[in-house]
Amino acid sequence: EVQLVESGGGLVQPGGSLRLSCAASGFTFRSYWMHWVRQAPGKGLVWVSRINSDGSSTSYADSVKGRFTISRDNAENTLYLQMNSLRAEDTAVYYCVRAAAGFDYWGQGTLVTVSS
Amino acid sequence: DIVMTQSPDSLAVSLGERATINCKSSQSVLYSSNNKNYIAWYQQKPGQPPKLLINWASTRESGVPDRFSGSGSGTDFTLTISSLQAEDVAVYYCQQYYSNPYTFGQGTKLEIK
Repeated sequence: EVQLVESGGGLVQPGGSLRLSCAASGFTFRSYWMHWVRQAPGKGLVWVSRINSDGSSTSYADSVKGRFTISRDNAENTLYLQMNSLRAEDTAVYYCVRAAAGFDYWGQGTLVTVSS
Repeated sequence: DIVMTQSPDSLAVSLGERATINCKSSQSVLYSSNNKNYIAWYQQKPGQPPKLLINWASTRESGVPDRFSGSGSGTDFTLTISSLQAEDVAVYYCQQYYSNPYTFGQGTKLEIK
């Protein structure tokens, strides 16, 4: 059974940092591109970032470029999102997502709240 | 960036009736080399992550009831629920995975009339 379990969310002050993790199991993690998608409270889905299967290529939404870094450890089956210089508008549930002709598996999400 | 626009924003349909949600992309998402439309549809129920229903604009994911169907090509796409069931109450999103950034529509909230 495919499982994606996010962790690392919480309350952080504006300008602060957080590192999200996503533990993957039930599939060959190193074979898939992975993404982060976020959803602000009561709002729609927004794509944040993606990384290719071996970690050599990444891309970001303009809203997070230069502040967020996506990475992966294929030996540990884990996806990461390092978030720096956080702003109030980054407040959202962050989902770890597997990509295969669309986004076929989603984690339950981890809530990041940026507030003083 | 490809902009995805869904209509309507909300929809109320009687049980057993047909529900239709439209999605328009600002540019074609049909890849000529494989003749595939890079469109997915998702269902999101309250408190849950989204669930992939359809990819390639019209291919149902395994386990998705056949009352859900997708159609369209190029820039105009439709998700149809042929006979609405109570468990179909949710927000539905379309998404293009043709190019970065992988944009979503704003969502359509489907309710029972």
